[in-house]
Amino acid sequence: GENVEQHPSTLSVQEGDSAVIKCTYSDSASNYFPWYKQELGKGPQLIIDIRSNVGEKKDQRIAVTLNKTAKHFSLHITETQPEDSAVYFCAASDSGGYQKVTFGTGTKLQVIP
Amino acid sequence: GAGVSQSPSNKVTEKGKDVELRCDPISGHTALYWYRQSLGQGLEFLIYFQGNSAPDKSGLPSDRFSAERTGGSVSTLTIQRTQQEDSAVYLCASSFADSYEQYFGPGTRLTVT
Repeated sequence: GENVEQHPSTLSVQEGDSAVIKCTYSDSASNYFPWYKQELGKGPQLIIDIRSNVGEKKDQRIAVTLNKTAKHFSLHITETQPEDSAVYFCAASDSGGYQKVTFGTGTKLQVIP
Repeated sequence: GAGVSQSPSNKVTEKGKDVELRCDPISGHTALYWYRQSLGQGLEFLIYFQGNSAPDKSGLPSDRFSAERTGGSVSTLTIQRTQQEDSAVYLCASSFADSYEQYFGPGTRLTVT
């Protein structure tokens, strides 16, 4: 099955700076890569995703990049704000025969005002 | 509209007791997932339901864990003879059959004393 590694496990940035979270995956057949944000006491929520036929995708202050050759993808948050503080999970589709994804271990992002 | 709901939000139980955790998915979502999130850890897949198909139980950690989904809607995750290592947040998610996007509930925090 798929194996997803995520780094760093914790990340502290000053408000206004950029934050980058990186993930690698093992299954070259994976073709869908979502990112979820989990705020304290809540379930994860999808914030952006990318498919394997696209190299980069942007949505306001967040962007994702995908390098299929190297099997890694990244989340970039620019102009960070305190409300960006949360745990972020990357995931990759699993060739389990249905819409299953395997999640990374999470990155706790702290934005310091 | 209404999101995924889970009950109870918190459960404290004594070692050896059985517990039942409930998930109400979003109306119209035929796919339902259960995950376990231990303190500071990622999302561990437990079980997947899709319509009337046989569930994917490959993530259940032991035969003390079971789940059912009645009428293609509400799901119950049962843990028998609970152990301290079962302490975690149990998350439920639902999605449309052909979609990777999962909508998560707020989770049930289980503490086994």
